[in-house]
Amino acid sequence: EPEVTQTPSHQVTQMGQEVILRCVPISNHLYFYWYRQILGQKVEFLVSFYNNEISEKSEIFDDQFSVERPDGSNFTLKIRSTKLEDSAMYFCASSRQSHEKLFFGSGTQLSVL
Amino acid sequence: GESVGLHLPTLSVQEGDNSIINCAYSNSASDYFIWYKQESGKGPQFIIDIRSNMDKRQGQRVTVLLNKTVKHLSLQIAATQPGDSAVYFCAEILMGGNKLTFGTGTQLKVEL
Repeated sequence: EPEVTQTPSHQVTQMGQEVILRCVPISNHLYFYWYRQILGQKVEFLVSFYNNEISEKSEIFDDQFSVERPDGSNFTLKIRSTKLEDSAMYFCASSRQSHEKLFFGSGTQLSVL
Repeated sequence: GESVGLHLPTLSVQEGDNSIINCAYSNSASDYFIWYKQESGKGPQFIIDIRSNMDKRQGQRVTVLLNKTVKHLSLQIAATQPGDSAVYFCAEILMGGNKLTFGTGTQLKVEL
């Protein structure tokens, strides 16, 4: 069964450093998303991406965040200068069409020290 | 400062019993609802979905009920098994949109 894959599964970084989280969405999906989940809290929307551009973003997704689809298979989330409060589990998701169910990857646990 | 984790409602059931997990929503523009299961350290896993033109949908051992009048949906799990222990989230998408918004979740504990 096709699945969304994310790498790395764990990322430890120093405050102020840049990190790139990587995702390979399901191959025939057109919509891509990033969500995050702080420990013990609910899953929060960050950004949606379609047709090589951001279609919607939350207030969490400020100038320190960016997304990119560098080729036909990868979808990345970059945090330019990490802060302690960026520590969370980051989930990538994809959907085949708009207004359809999202499939989630297993996440990248980001720890900012 | 220190962040405080969200206190999740917890539902404890005996193995073999039926479980009912409830969710309320407030936006009348919500027209697509999805239930996800999240096990510890894993991503949300799709269980079942329902669109607003329906009031009931059944899957394997799961049923989702939607009451648009009171803006309420529920997930029923028949013959609950230990493997069903997880956090269950309802999520919604607004009419014409693609952004999925999650609720706060319910911790389901299955006792042997």
